[in-house]
Amino acid sequence: KAGVTQTPRYLIKTRGQQVTLSCSPISGHRSVSWYQQTPGQGLQFLFEYFSETQRNKGNFPGRFSGRQFSNSRSEMNVSTLELGDSALYLCASSLGGYGNTIYFGEGSWLTVV
Amino acid sequence: QKEVEQDPGPLSVPEGAIVSLNCTYSNSAFQYFMWYRQYSRKGPELLMYTYSSGNKEDGRFTAQVDKSSKYISLFIRDSQPSDSATYLCAMSDQAAGNKLTFGGGTRVLVKP
Repeated sequence: KAGVTQTPRYLIKTRGQQVTLSCSPISGHRSVSWYQQTPGQGLQFLFEYFSETQRNKGNFPGRFSGRQFSNSRSEMNVSTLELGDSALYLCASSLGGYGNTIYFGEGSWLTVV
Repeated sequence: QKEVEQDPGPLSVPEGAIVSLNCTYSNSAFQYFMWYRQYSRKGPELLMYTYSSGNKEDGRFTAQVDKSSKYISLFIRDSQPSDSATYLCAMSDQAAGNKLTFGGGTRVLVKP
């Protein structure tokens, strides 16, 4: 059974640009969450999507957005990139019910220069 | 103060020793408790999942949850060099759905 797949794995962007990251959840999983991981702040929750609707949101500025498609695949977008957005962005999937186990992908490494 | 506290380490142990990791938390609503292992430049891998208080064992791993003390632990028996990684505790409550709150992670080094 394929795991959570994230693309691209590595990317470098310039300050002020925007970036789109993609996530394909485990087959049958309907919930997709996004996290940002940095050395200083650790793993922080960005948002969760379930059945194409944002179900939960963390404390990040509006520059961070996401969406989910009917096949449960998800994308997140960061606009007007700042140097501080350099991080590992992790996607996680679960069946969708509360308390279901949550599995992570390998992440997308974003460097903003 | 963070909702979930975890000693950053590093924790260095000889091969074959028991690794003892723990987290404390402040939110009494947390009901689901997880431990993840993360190797360098990789995504977190789920090791253990526990609901509410109690113990759970899976192979060399034992997870304990003490909700009265707001304290969770992970024990790794017969540690191997391949167990060298960062271990993250995570927890959630029903109101927050699938939003996980993580500890900062403990770096573990198992020396041959």
